[in-house]
Amino acid sequence: GNSVTQMEGPVTLSEEAFLTINCTYTATGYPSLFWYVQYPGEGLQLLLKATKADDKGSNKGFEATYRKETTSFHLEKGSVQVSDSAVYFCALGGSSSASKIIFGSGTRLSIRP
Amino acid sequence: DAGVIQSPRHEVTEMGQEVTLRCKPISGHNSLFWYRQTMMRGLELLIYFNNNVPIDDSGMPEDRFSAKMPNASFSTLKIQPSEPRDSAVYFCASSLLAGKVNEQYFGPGTRLTVT
Repeated sequence: GNSVTQMEGPVTLSEEAFLTINCTYTATGYPSLFWYVQYPGEGLQLLLKATKADDKGSNKGFEATYRKETTSFHLEKGSVQVSDSAVYFCALGGSSSASKIIFGSGTRLSIRP
Repeated sequence: DAGVIQSPRHEVTEMGQEVTLRCKPISGHNSLFWYRQTMMRGLELLIYFNNNVPIDDSGMPEDRFSAKMPNASFSTLKIQPSEPRDSAVYFCASSLLAGKVNEQYFGPGTRLTVT
């Protein structure tokens, strides 16, 4: 069945450091891929998405490229800020009419000033 | 757009009491999801509806949990009787089921504490 595996946390970085959070998936067909972010005390928010191979999703300085050959969707940001401290979830959406999304276990990111 | 609305935001109740959580999805969305989040088990999908019909309730922990969606703009998740192990944050999310792209929009959650 479909599944998502993401980098275990917690991840602690200094402000302005480069960020990578790894995510790989197993799926049949051509699923959509997502990154969600959860700030303390809030619900999950869609950060970015990609719907087909080689698509690059981007938002708020974050980027992720849909790599079908490596079944990956790694999240990157060139220079992180303290305000980026949150939990990040990689997720996989159905390629058919099914509407369920499969979420990874989440990676907690802490940024030191 | 108001986004997904959940009520109450916080609920504290005693073991054995009935708890009802409420959700109003985004207008026009036709899929609705109930999740539970805890430190130990992370984010768990409990049940989801398409066009008000329950599609998959395999995540509902036991018969004490039930969910309804009487119309396109309202859903409830009920726990009866509640137990301390039900303490968690419960999220409702909605999406538009139309083709492949199906991002979900989450509400702010209901933090349930059962003492």
